[in-house]
Amino acid sequence: QKEVEQDPGPLSVPEGAIVSLNCTYSNSAFQYFMWYRQYSRKGPELLMYTYSSGNKEDGRFTAQVDKSSKYISLFIRDSQPSDSATYLCAMRDSGNTPLVFGKGTRLSVIA
Amino acid sequence: NAGVTQTPKFQVLKTGQSMTLQCAQDMNHEYMSWYRQDPGMGLRLIHYSVGAGITDQGEVPNGYNVSRSTTEDFPLRLLSAAPSQTSVYFCASSYSYSGANVLTFGAGSRLTVL
Repeated sequence: QKEVEQDPGPLSVPEGAIVSLNCTYSNSAFQYFMWYRQYSRKGPELLMYTYSSGNKEDGRFTAQVDKSSKYISLFIRDSQPSDSATYLCAMRDSGNTPLVFGKGTRLSVIA
Repeated sequence: NAGVTQTPKFQVLKTGQSMTLQCAQDMNHEYMSWYRQDPGMGLRLIHYSVGAGITDQGEVPNGYNVSRSTTEDFPLRLLSAAPSQTSVYFCASSYSYSGANVLTFGAGSRLTVL
């Protein structure tokens, strides 16, 4: 079992829809949780960062972490065609270990 | 402020050739790393460095060498290219190796090995 599992999609939604992207993980030591967004032929860029459990909101984006279920989510409200990208979850523990990435979910928002 | 700069952006090699992918950052980041990204495989860590003179292997290090003589530069060397090394390579850096370790990525280098 991979440490981080993420459905690769592709996921296609109409403009204005609420999008839910998810990752599950197996390592209970993970403390730092991130979402990166990657546009086609570009490098990933940090979208959201959460420490430990709870929610974090930034504009149309909400990140949720449920450590008891080992499950993290990214919600996108009022999705726009400009949100079309691949979304990668990433996480790590509190020690000196590298980030572990999910494989990414490709999202298309259709106008 | 250029961030993380990777060169070249595109490269075609023949099997057995060697080459170096360059990575430079101007943010005074201690931590630098190289990933490869393949369809269906996600980002896989090749090598990383927590500071000048210190390097370590990641998930897929075979066939690649790295060195870190300065804080700014972290080149990735392919000693004898193989078709299996056809991929998109990303360099990434962060201020520290501990804590949130938020990575800043370069734009990528697309390598084809024939």
